Amino acid sequence: DVKVTQSSRYLVKRTGEKVFLECVQDMDHENMFWYRQDPGLGLRLIYFSYDVKMKEKGDIPEGYSVSREKKERFSLILESASTNQTSMYLCASNPSLDRVGDEKLFFGSGTQLSVL
Amino acid sequence: EDQVTQSPEALRLQEGESSSLNCSYTVSGLRGLFWYRQDPGKGPEFLFTLYSAGEEKEKERLKATLTKKESFLHITAPKPEDSATYLCAVASYNTDKLIFGTGTRLQVFP
Repeated sequence: DVKVTQSSRYLVKRTGEKVFLECVQDMDHENMFWYRQDPGLGLRLIYFSYDVKMKEKGDIPEGYSVSREKKERFSLILESASTNQTSMYLCASNPSLDRVGDEKLFFGSGTQLSVL
Repeated sequence: EDQVTQSPEALRLQEGESSSLNCSYTVSGLRGLFWYRQDPGKGPEFLFTLYSAGEEKEKERLKATLTKKESFLHITAPKPEDSATYLCAVASYNTDKLIFGTGTRLQVFP
């Protein structure tokens, strides 16, 4: 089974801190994604990556950056955390967006981040 | 603009009381429609992919159907363990990104 592992289940940070959220997948998937999930707003895409060192902005990239130095690892960085970044962060991966049947996402368990 | 709307927002059922969840979509060129289940405090888990109108998929008490404008997730004789939030998402040929609905929170009482 595909496993997507997020490094922290719960995280509490202070305003202005630099925050790193780590995600690792073990199935050699090409694509990795970072979403945030807020009540009433659903899942919103922050950034995604098609390949090592490649990154693309999603719908809400402001205040975030990402890093993909190795194929299996995709990091989300909050350069200066703010209270409006308190949210559930979900990492996901999939083999391909081009091959029919490969588009489904495999999600990690999420990181609940609280910024005080 | 591509859009996905799920209804109802919340649904309370008695065990054994069958019902349906709706996912309406507006997208230019549907590549696929996805259903996910999400338990509290966990990430979504894939259930089904539907690609064309008329297609149906089944898994245990769940059956997903697709028309040109909407998808239904039918739950037959639900059990308390079916309680979860059910998410719908669509992929179009216009974009590489999935568009998610806000989900239906289902509670099944014994």
